[in-house]
Amino acid sequence: TQLLEQSPQFLSIQEGENLTVYCNSSSVFSSLQWYRQEPGEGPVLLVTVVTGGEVKKLKRLTFQFGDARKDSSLHITAAQTGDTGLYLCAGLDTNFGNEKLTFGTGTRLTIIP
Amino acid sequence: ETGVTQTPRHLVMGMTNKKSLKCEQHLGHNAMYWYKQSAKKPLELMFVYNFKEQTENNSVPSRFSPECPNSSHLFLHLHTLQPEDSALYLCASSHRQGNQPQHFGDGTRLSIL
Repeated sequence: TQLLEQSPQFLSIQEGENLTVYCNSSSVFSSLQWYRQEPGEGPVLLVTVVTGGEVKKLKRLTFQFGDARKDSSLHITAAQTGDTGLYLCAGLDTNFGNEKLTFGTGTRLTIIP
Repeated sequence: ETGVTQTPRHLVMGMTNKKSLKCEQHLGHNAMYWYKQSAKKPLELMFVYNFKEQTENNSVPSRFSPECPNSSHLFLHLHTLQPEDSALYLCASSHRQGNQPQHFGDGTRLSIL
């Protein structure tokens, strides 16, 4: 069973600060997705990274896929209260012709005004 | 507007009751998914339907019974549930099983008395 560990599990910081959350696995994934889930809603896709070492930017959010495609990070610059939510990474495994998306344990982020 | 609609949003039922969760998508997708989200566990994939055919049953107890009458509708029939089945049940859809981003509904919050 593949496991995606996210750290930290909980993070509470002041508005304007920077932060990084991590998504780690011992397994290799063909691609990795990041989702944000707000209270009372379902997860919403933020980005998909496909190539080892790939960096993608979405406004103040920077996503990086590890060179070995086993890990990923999400860096937020100058956090805003609207960034509050549960951040989930999800790795896609396409081995054995069976495509399967495995979700990480999640990081619950709270931005304090 | 997520494109994926789940009803009901909240459900409280006794262990001997029978109820059904409904999911509907109008995104033209061919794959639909049921997930279970508990407080202390990662998002767990339960079932996958691709072009109305069940392609994944992730060792889910038989008290959960899925039904996919067409590519736009997905049901989860519940009977004789246990207290540990209390969770948020999320439905998602994608163009096809695999790499396409998954679009989630806002979930049904299920409480078993």
